[in-house]
Amino acid sequence: GAVVSQHPSWVICKSGTSVKIECRSLDFQATTMFWYRQFPKQSLMLMATSNEGSKATYEQGVEKDKFLINHASLTLSTLTVTSAHPEDSSFYICSATTGTSSYNEQFFGPGTRLTVL
Amino acid sequence: QKEVEQNSGPLSVPEGAIASLNCTYSDRGSQSFFWYRQYSGKSPELIMFIYSNGDKEDGRFTAQLNKASQYVSLLIRDSQPSDSATYLCAAYTGKLIFGQGTTLQVKP
Repeated sequence: GAVVSQHPSWVICKSGTSVKIECRSLDFQATTMFWYRQFPKQSLMLMATSNEGSKATYEQGVEKDKFLINHASLTLSTLTVTSAHPEDSSFYICSATTGTSSYNEQFFGPGTRLTVL
Repeated sequence: QKEVEQNSGPLSVPEGAIASLNCTYSDRGSQSFFWYRQYSGKSPELIMFIYSNGDKEDGRFTAQLNKASQYVSLLIRDSQPSDSATYLCAAYTGKLIFGQGTTLQVKP
């Protein structure tokens, strides 16, 4: 099956610092990658959609200057949380589509738990 | 606002029973529907997807779709304690819209 990895799996940082999260598709080329955020006891909320070589499309209410997304290749997308604050503490999950299916199934990475002190 | 609604539960069933999870969606333009399982602290894993009216079976799982009623369900036969998790329903409308998830507890 399609495997997506994320790094790091967890990170603790001080308020005001920036954190970079990597998302990689290991055995396929991902035409599109997605970034989600999940707060405790809540569902996944899409933050942005990124396609290789183009600017990410952000969902309403997501600050594009705070959550920087770079999709440099067909196997790597990065999310940088700039000037992180405690309210940014959450579970960040990326997903990817293979581009070969008509049904748009997404394969999720294992997630990155961010804690901002 | 395009929405996907699920009962948050918890839904409690005895081991070996059939668990029935339900989901409704508001956007009639939704093209396909997905069921994901999410264990606490982990990311979702795809169970199955369905895009045509009717039933789709995969092992112990059966997904049912009724587009007229805008209703999707997931049946889990012979439920096992390892099935205890949160089940997320999602509708694809150009992007995945997730429901809030139903917590399933399978009691030995």
